[in-house]
Amino acid sequence: EIVLTQSPGTLSLSPGERATLSCRASQSVSSNYLAWYQQKPGRAPRLLISGASSRATGTPDRFSGSGSGTDFTLTISRLEPEDFAVYYCQQYGSSPESFGQGTKLEIK
Amino acid sequence: EVQLVESGGGLVQPGGSLRLSCVASGFTFRSYWMHWVRQAPGKGLVWVSCIKNDGTSTSYADSVKGRFTISRDNAKNTLYLQMNSLRVEDTAVYYCVLPWGNWGQGTPVTVSS
Repeated sequence: EIVLTQSPGTLSLSPGERATLSCRASQSVSSNYLAWYQQKPGRAPRLLISGASSRATGTPDRFSGSGSGTDFTLTISRLEPEDFAVYYCQQYGSSPESFGQGTKLEIK
Repeated sequence: EVQLVESGGGLVQPGGSLRLSCVASGFTFRSYWMHWVRQAPGKGLVWVSCIKNDGTSTSYADSVKGRFTISRDNAKNTLYLQMNSLRVEDTAVYYCVLPWGNWGQGTPVTVSS
């Protein structure tokens, strides 16, 4: 099973700042099948990025994904108030599909 | 528009059973693999199970293997999760997922005496 480790656990930033979230895999993610999700309290996760770098329909272009192999990054170029949430990475190239433990992005 | 509507969650005692359902609409259900993902209170997302579009292949997380059974009825556009021998640690919101851009609203399961 591929274990995904996200860092940091909590990120405290202000609106307008740049956010960089990391996801490291215990082994190479097949075909870069790596997704990022945003989740707000009481809501289902929302897919932001798939295939490591492809924005899902409706994802604002301030969100970008990068990386390959075992190291992946989600970057939010300029934080908007609605971006403060928990973010998860997921690999779906190998069974069992697995999720990282999440990064909480909070307002500083 | 894709819609996934889960039901069947609730409060059950340890050792009990529940069957979750997920009614799908807005896409050709019989053409897609489907998944269940759960989230314990205050915790992260955990993949639970998946089933091939025609129901001929299934996979489970080790934590539920032998206790949970995933199935589907393509004529009814419905996905199921039969959960037996439930444990306190199975307490979670259970999401039905059309991989990976469409999630249901979730149905809560609480296992407690």
